[in-house]
Amino acid sequence: EDKVVQSPLSLVVHEGDTVTLNCSYEVTNFRSLLWYKQEKKAPTFLFMLTSSGIEKKSGRLSSILDKKELFSILNITATQTGDSAIYLCETSGSRLTFGEGTQLTVNP
Amino acid sequence: EAGVTQFPSHSVIEKGQTVTLRCDPISGHDNLYWYRRVMGKEIKFLLHFVKESKQDESGMPNNRFLAERTGGTYSTLKVQPAELEDSGVYFCASSLGTPLYEQYFGPGTRLTVT
Repeated sequence: EDKVVQSPLSLVVHEGDTVTLNCSYEVTNFRSLLWYKQEKKAPTFLFMLTSSGIEKKSGRLSSILDKKELFSILNITATQTGDSAIYLCETSGSRLTFGEGTQLTVNP
Repeated sequence: EAGVTQFPSHSVIEKGQTVTLRCDPISGHDNLYWYRRVMGKEIKFLLHFVKESKQDESGMPNNRFLAERTGGTYSTLKVQPAELEDSGVYFCASSLGTPLYEQYFGPGTRLTVT
């Protein structure tokens, strides 16, 4: 059975801090890994990663995939209170599998 | 362009009753997915349509759940009869293609079975 594990489950930081969120996976027929941000309602897409070692970047957020060690990280630099959300990792393999998410709280 | 919409936003029903959830994907998106988050746990995949065909329904929990997508446009997910453990948030998502296309999620339907 495909498995996606995110860590930490919960993180509280102050504005300006840098955070690193982790997503490890055991997936059959891996094709891609996606990161989402979920605030009040539906998850919104952040990144899709298919190749190892190629960093995807969008503003203060960046993400990279390691297909050898089977994990991905999502970095957020200079965090802001608006970054507070649940960050979800999803893999596309034999089936679509989500991790439990990391609840990030950024305090002023 | 309208995003993925779901109806209703919240439904409260009694155990044993029937509920039908609806999802309207983004126009032109052939791929439609149903997921659910139960009791604060991770989001679980239920099934995947490509147009009107069920591409993968391996995540459907049991035969009380029936999903349809007649005509390849909107989709419905019927739960009959509903049980307490079916309570949760049901998300729908759509994408242009698969697997290397991002999914756009709807706002979810919160189902409460009492």
